[in-house]
Amino acid sequence: QQQVKQSPQSLIVQKGGISIINCAYENTAFDYFPWYQQFPGKGPALLIAIRPDVSEKKEGRFTISFNKSAKQFSLHIMDSQPGDSATYFCAARSMGGGSNYKLTFGKGTLLTVNP
Amino acid sequence: KAGVTQTPRYLIKTRGQQVTLSCSPISGHRSVSWYQQTPGQGLQFLFEYFSETQRNKGNFPGRFSGRQFSNSRSEMNVSTLELGDSALYLCASSPPGQGYNEQFFGPGTRLTVL
Repeated sequence: QQQVKQSPQSLIVQKGGISIINCAYENTAFDYFPWYQQFPGKGPALLIAIRPDVSEKKEGRFTISFNKSAKQFSLHIMDSQPGDSATYFCAARSMGGGSNYKLTFGKGTLLTVNP
Repeated sequence: KAGVTQTPRYLIKTRGQQVTLSCSPISGHRSVSWYQQTPGQGLQFLFEYFSETQRNKGNFPGRFSGRQFSNSRSEMNVSTLELGDSALYLCASSPPGQGYNEQFFGPGTRLTVL
């Protein structure tokens, strides 16, 4: 059962354009939504994250928009650069066993930014 | 500070064999999680260890097991390998007191089962 649905699977953007990746979830118990960036041959690295009491968070060229009522959140990359070419994963945190948290990931979006 | 290290980086095995992967977390991190990454399923949570105890477990068969040592280093073992076990296995560690707020991933071990 996929609890976090991510789209699109792949995305091609021209340099300077805006890249938008969307995620949707069903579990209302999710309480924290990070985005991870993964380059080939590397493990994922935390890019930006948001809590559901905030509708938007911006860090440099990266912005998360969060719509709690629609249970959707998205990553916007402004002025996309070839160096942004990577796989992006959205994730959602829920309480695991006891007081421990668990991350559920989307299936990833392969972003290619053409020069 | 050194990052999460995983050994070996690449591994080729045949069906029916078993394999052990190793992960050394960032110094001071006591939580270690394991994930399986495949093109079709993305990142799937295997299990998490904290202070040598398994705290969380994903939906994987019992062939997948793990352990953590007193120095927080962790190993995962897959017995009776199947072709479908071919994947990138990622280890991630978390600093104390932050739960899953931020996980620091290693580069992964690429396992190929022939």
